[in-house]
Formats: sequence, C-alpha cells, structure tokens
Amino acid sequence: DAEITQSPRHKITETGRQVTLACHQTWNHNNMFWYRQDLGHGLRLIHYSYGVQDTNKGEVSDGYSVSRSNTEDLPLTLESAASSQTSVYFCASSEDSRVYNEQFFGPGTRLTVL
Amino acid sequence: RKEVEQDPGPFNVPEGATVAFNCTYSNSASQSFFWYRQDCRKEPKLLMSVYSSGNEDGRFTAQLNRASQYISLLIRDSKLSDSATYLCVVNTGSNYQLIWGAGTKLIIKP
Repeated sequence: DAEITQSPRHKITETGRQVTLACHQTWNHNNMFWYRQDLGHGLRLIHYSYGVQDTNKGEVSDGYSVSRSNTEDLPLTLESAASSQTSVYFCASSEDSRVYNEQFFGPGTRLTVL
Repeated sequence: RKEVEQDPGPFNVPEGATVAFNCTYSNSASQSFFWYRQDCRKEPKLLMSVYSSGNEDGRFTAQLNRASQYISLLIRDSKLSDSATYLCVVNTGSNYQLIWGAGTKLIIKP
C-alpha cells in the first residue's frame, strides 16, 4: 500500500544545530508539503513543492529550507535550530488536481529544541 | 482576523447525542472545503469534503453556506470513537494549498 513516512519520529536537539527531517512518499504524488502544528494554531505551511526541482516558501518559512531531487522525498532542514522551532512537523502529499486535492499525511515528527 | 476560524471547544457530549459545530472562512473566493479529523498526537485524515449542496456520509453531514461564509459539521448518534479534534480546511482554488483552522475538540462521554 502507498504511504508517507517521516523520520525521525522524535528528535531532541540543541539551539544552533542543523537538523534535517525526512519525508518519503510512495503515492507518486507531485505535490508535497511541510507543516508545523502548535497549540492554538492550525497547521501552518512551511514549504511546498509541486514537482522535482520545484520548491516554494509557505507562511512560516524563515529558518527552514527544502530540496526536491526526486518525486518521493522532500527533506526539511532547520539551518540553525531555535527554541521557537520546537513543534510537531507533518509532511503531506497530494495529487495534481484542483478539484480533488486531499492531502495524505505522514505520522509526524516531534522536535524539541533545547 | 484568521482566514479560517473554529471554536476550539472542547465540546463535551454524551454518547448517542447529536453535535454540530461551525467554521467560518474569510476569503469569499474559496472554492473547496473539507473536514479533517485528527486524533490525539496523530496525523490529520480526511473525514469528508463539503459540497455546495451539502453532503452526508453515514452519521456525518456537512453543509456549506457561501452567503455567510461558513461550513458546518453535524454528527448524529455520537460514538465514543468520535472523540477527536475536527479541523476545518479551505482551498481558494488558486493552487494546491490548504488553509487550516485550529480545530474543534470533541469529547464523547459514556
């Protein structure tokens, strides 16, 4: 069965360190998204990609970067981790359809920055 | 004003009761609407899309009111397993991005 996976599931790191969160999907979807979820907020879009070599900034992109070298993977990098980036991070993917654009989510990565 | 607003709850409802909650959106150009369900510490999953004419899926009914810019979710004969956070989601149609509400927490009590 097609799925979307994230690793690690939990990560504790220190302020200033570079951290990369992995996202891998086997849906063969062109569209991939990274969100963060914090108490009192909806999912907030960090970066997204509509295909290989395409990346775009979302609502809260400062301090984050992504790269898309193949269809399956969209790794998220925190260049210099800050305590404000402590959050739950979700990766999602969707089909190329403006009508049917259900997003399928990975299980999430819980990141703590000390 | 947030683009998508929901009452955070929690709604505490006895098992078997009917519960409804609304979600308002600010962009009148919004074209697609969805309800997602999120269990504690899990990923969101699509519950149902919301169509202009309203739609029903078993015990769940979704309605769209474009004039007042809100969507609603009605749950009949609630089950303990309905306890979750319900996320209202809107797409303006200009791209594949979704705008997410913060969610309404529902607790079904025996």
